[in-house]
Amino acid sequence: NAGVTQTPKFQVLKTGQSMTLQCAQDMNHEYMSWYRQDPGMGLRLIHYSVGAGITDQGEVPNGYNVSRSTTEDFPLRLLSAAPSQTSVYFCASSYSIGLVYEQYFGPGTRLTVT
Amino acid sequence: EDKVVQSPLSLVVHEGDTVTLNCSYEVTNFRSLLWYKQEKKAPTFLFMLTSSGIEKKSGRLSSILDKKELFSILNITATQTGDSAVYLCAVGGVISSGSARQLTFGSGTQLTVLP
Repeated sequence: NAGVTQTPKFQVLKTGQSMTLQCAQDMNHEYMSWYRQDPGMGLRLIHYSVGAGITDQGEVPNGYNVSRSTTEDFPLRLLSAAPSQTSVYFCASSYSIGLVYEQYFGPGTRLTVT
Repeated sequence: EDKVVQSPLSLVVHEGDTVTLNCSYEVTNFRSLLWYKQEKKAPTFLFMLTSSGIEKKSGRLSSILDKKELFSILNITATQTGDSAVYLCAVGGVISSGSARQLTFGSGTQLTVLP
């Protein structure tokens, strides 16, 4: 069981470039989400998905797109990178059953936009 | 707007001390409160609390929830240098459409335990 995996671990982009952060889980979790973590800001929800084919916006969705074509994968796309998107990005997954939704986090991607 | 506030923002103690970390919240349709430990990498799960007054315990760590006063505390007794980390509180609620749940995180408490 690999849990939640993310690639790449580190990335440097120039302003205006696009890229996709990959996230995959092998626990058959229905619920997946993307967070960004900035100093002093805690974790903020970008987008989430409650199952294949269903996505929705979180607290800070602007500048990011997601899709969920399979249960396992939940990629995050930056369409035109901006310095304000410099952050650490975490993908997480959980069961979506009743009250139980402990989230399992991936190792994170540290993104720098210059 | 959902809000989770943790205090203190940072804390420096010596090994052997006992610490109490606080988390207060305002969340629509509260479902559960979770504590995570983060040591320069991904957060790792500590506790999930759903009912008031029932203490969850794991070794030297314990936590309790007060749903009437909308807060939780995380206690760490006999602290060790390995307890140094950021402790995150997150509260789960149901979004307005009722079809999904999401976590709102506090900004964390940075705990430093000195030898």
